[in-house]
Amino acid sequence: AQSVTQPDIHITVSEGASLELRCNYSYGATPYLFWYVQSPGQGLQLLLKYFSGDTLVQGIKGFEAEFKRSQSSFNLRKPSVHWSDAAEYFCAVVSRSSNTGKLIFGQGTTLQVKP
Amino acid sequence: DAGITQSPRHKVTETGTPVTLRCHQTENHRYMYWYRQDPGHGLRLIHYSYGVKDTDKGEVSDGYSVSRSKTEDFLLTLESATSSQTSVYFCAISESGGPTEAFFGQGTRLTVV
Repeated sequence: AQSVTQPDIHITVSEGASLELRCNYSYGATPYLFWYVQSPGQGLQLLLKYFSGDTLVQGIKGFEAEFKRSQSSFNLRKPSVHWSDAAEYFCAVVSRSSNTGKLIFGQGTTLQVKP
Repeated sequence: DAGITQSPRHKVTETGTPVTLRCHQTENHRYMYWYRQDPGHGLRLIHYSYGVKDTDKGEVSDGYSVSRSKTEDFLLTLESATSSQTSVYFCAISESGGPTEAFFGQGTRLTVV
């Protein structure tokens, strides 16, 4: 079955430290890949997306992600975390063949930032 | 910000009562979606629409129905609410079903007591 896995439910990092959030997917063909962020009580905001081309994609708020086909992964990174980055992060995919735009989400990773 | 409005934002209802949640968009996007968010599950698709009067089921559609009589409005109805439907509901829109991003509303927190 098609699925998206975020292995880390909770991550705590110190402000200024680097961050990597993991995402693995299980699909027959490489899907469209997304990272969304959700601040408490808010909707989801798109951080970045990968459709094709360069496997290192830049997003908003200083985030980047790297697509690795061999590992079926799309990990999110940030070199220096700010306290305002504390939120829940979701990896999501859309099948290239479905043409419906249906998002399949991972379980989410909650990021806590220590001062 | 994409023009998506969900109403109500919060609702408490009793088991067995009908509930309708509304999603209104001003972007003229063709696709609209209803997701529910539960701890440990991320977001899961309930129903979606690919045009006026064109809808289809998602992953967790049991107990829910939808309607789309106008491009801008997508209604989600719980015919007889149950406690298992206590959740946060998000509406999303996208221009196409292909490689494009989806925009999300602010969510509706529904509590069934």
